[in-house]
Amino acid sequence: DGGITQSPKYLFRKEGQNVTLSCEQNLNHDAMYWYRQDPGQGLRLIYYSQIVNDFQKGDIAEGYSVSREKKESFPLTVTSAQKNPTAFYLCASTTTRTGIDQPQHFGDGTRLSIL
Amino acid sequence: QKEVEQNSGPLSVPEGAIASLNCTYSDRGSQSFFWYRQYSGKSPELIMFIYSNGDKEDGRFTAQLNKASQYVSLLIRDSQPSDSATYLCALLRGSSNTGKLIFGQGTTLQVKP
Repeated sequence: DGGITQSPKYLFRKEGQNVTLSCEQNLNHDAMYWYRQDPGQGLRLIYYSQIVNDFQKGDIAEGYSVSREKKESFPLTVTSAQKNPTAFYLCASTTTRTGIDQPQHFGDGTRLSIL
Repeated sequence: QKEVEQNSGPLSVPEGAIASLNCTYSDRGSQSFFWYRQYSGKSPELIMFIYSNGDKEDGRFTAQLNKASQYVSLLIRDSQPSDSATYLCALLRGSSNTGKLIFGQGTTLQVKP
């Protein structure tokens, strides 16, 4: 089945540790996105990528890094510089080839907590 | 002023009633709008999207867009307890090729049996 796969579902980070969240899609989508959701809040954009080997900062990029080496994959690293990493992290993707704005579809998310 | 504003609720309606969820936005140039439903602990799922002024219907759901007044709403007819969730309004800043979704904080809907 086509879809967006995020792993792991739950992740715990120790003080000073970098952790990487995986996002893979087999929808042949060009654009991929990472969002953060805090309890009772909407989604905030961390990073996004429209094409392979290119990505842009979103509204809250500090303390995070990404790469886009393959069309299917857009991993997010939460670095030790991110002092408040506890949140629900959501990956999304969409196509950009139709000429009209297409909705984004989401993976199941990763919950990150500090140990 | 937030770019996308929603009343956080909760909005409580009896089963079978019409639930009306509203969203206002500040950027008059916004063109594309999306409604997502998010159950507790789950990821958002797309309900509707609307690009043109007026109404768009899909089953029990109707999205309404009024660009002059800068609001978009979602009506849920014959509300069911399974509709109880948080509904997120989002707009696309820019285009799909270059833009990004901006979300409101969401409105929690409770449908009481």
